[in-house]
Amino acid sequence: SQQGEEDPQALSIQEGENATMNCSYKTSINNLQWYRQNSGRGLVHLILIRSNEREKHSGRLRVTLDTSKKSSSLLITASRAADTASYFCAAGGYSTLTFGKGTMLLVSP
Amino acid sequence: DGGITQSPKYLFRKEGQNVTLSCEQNLNHDAMYWYRQDPGQGLRLIYYSQIVNDFQKGDIAEGYSVSREKKESFPLTVTSAQKNPTAFYLCASSIRAGGAAGANVLTFGAGSRLTVL
Repeated sequence: SQQGEEDPQALSIQEGENATMNCSYKTSINNLQWYRQNSGRGLVHLILIRSNEREKHSGRLRVTLDTSKKSSSLLITASRAADTASYFCAAGGYSTLTFGKGTMLLVSP
Repeated sequence: DGGITQSPKYLFRKEGQNVTLSCEQNLNHDAMYWYRQDPGQGLRLIYYSQIVNDFQKGDIAEGYSVSREKKESFPLTVTSAQKNPTAFYLCASSIRAGGAAGANVLTFGAGSRLTVL
């Protein structure tokens, strides 16, 4: 089955710095989504980029998609301590989403 | 407030017992899903349902069963055949499964943590 894989597995930065997470997937997609999960909680949808789009912005989030390389990146600018969480990409196919293993982001004050 | 309610939040099971996790949504979504999350493994799809009275196996359906008798409800039973059931279980729903325009954006419940004693 198609699967997203995030890189790096863990990322530690200081408040105010930018955080970049990468995702690769294996097969054709309709869209690529990013979700956030605080420890022990459910996931929350952040942003969706369609397969015919190359870049999308939402607040401090910037997502890129390169379908030729089957990869996506999530950039969080001017990070805050409250951004500390796990971030997952999800490859959206014709029936279901397939999630990667996630990137754990720690933002220190 | 519209959303997904999972219960119980914590559940302990003895080996050999079946347990059922509840998932209810009031979002009027057609599609519902069950995912399992283990540390370092991400989310893996157990079962999903695109419409009432119909459901499909996901990647790790063995040892689990589901039903979809009502649009709002998608309970998951963890049977004694599931050899390693200790995990965090997440229920989700979407307007429908698949599609490019965002109808497959998932809304998640808060999760149920199952521990086998």
